[in-house]
Amino acid sequence: EAQVTQNPRYLITVTGKKLTVTCSQNMNHEYMSWYRQDPGLGLRQIYYSMNVEVTDKGDVPEGYKVSRKEKRNFPLILESPSPNQTSLYFCASSGGRGLIAKNIQYFGAGTRLSVL
Amino acid sequence: AQSVTQLGSHVSVSEGALVLLRCNYSSSVPPYLFWYVQYPNQGLQLLLKYTTGATLVKGINGFEAEFKKSETSFHLTKPSAHMSDAAEYFCAVSDLLGSQGNLIFGKGTKLSVKP
Repeated sequence: EAQVTQNPRYLITVTGKKLTVTCSQNMNHEYMSWYRQDPGLGLRQIYYSMNVEVTDKGDVPEGYKVSRKEKRNFPLILESPSPNQTSLYFCASSGGRGLIAKNIQYFGAGTRLSVL
Repeated sequence: AQSVTQLGSHVSVSEGALVLLRCNYSSSVPPYLFWYVQYPNQGLQLLLKYTTGATLVKGINGFEAEFKKSETSFHLTKPSAHMSDAAEYFCAVSDLLGSQGNLIFGKGTKLSVKP
């Protein structure tokens, strides 16, 4: 089954304790992206990756890092989490042949993070 | 730069009534437009899309949307609401960076359906 898998689904941590949220897709997609969702603000893009070893900042990259060492994985790293990073995080991927396929994003189920 | 405006953060309808969720976009190039739905505690799933061709597009669960270039709109409709339609709906436009686009999302509209 084609899917985007995020882990963990729920995470409670304390300020300053480094954490990683994993994202994996099994569709051989070139493009992957991380978003955060906050009430009243919709989805805001954190980082995206056009392919292996190619990453770029989105709209709200401060406090986050990413890496894309292999095509299927795109982890989100919070080196020193702060309470303002409490949010719902989504990973997404897209790809395939043709312009339309490249623009349809598939989303993971989300990771709800609380930073105390 | 592309942008999306969804009018109304909350919409409430009665079961069986028409659903209308409004979306206006801004784009300097012919846009690809999308509606995604998010059910409680789930990720987003594609409801429907407009790329080229027919301006009235049909999606899953009886939803449809019409691309109106002159009004820069892509409103989502469903003739008869069902309780299972209660969810948050997001309109998005692709900024088409070369051939691979980033999606720019609206802030979402939460749909409630009353019995």
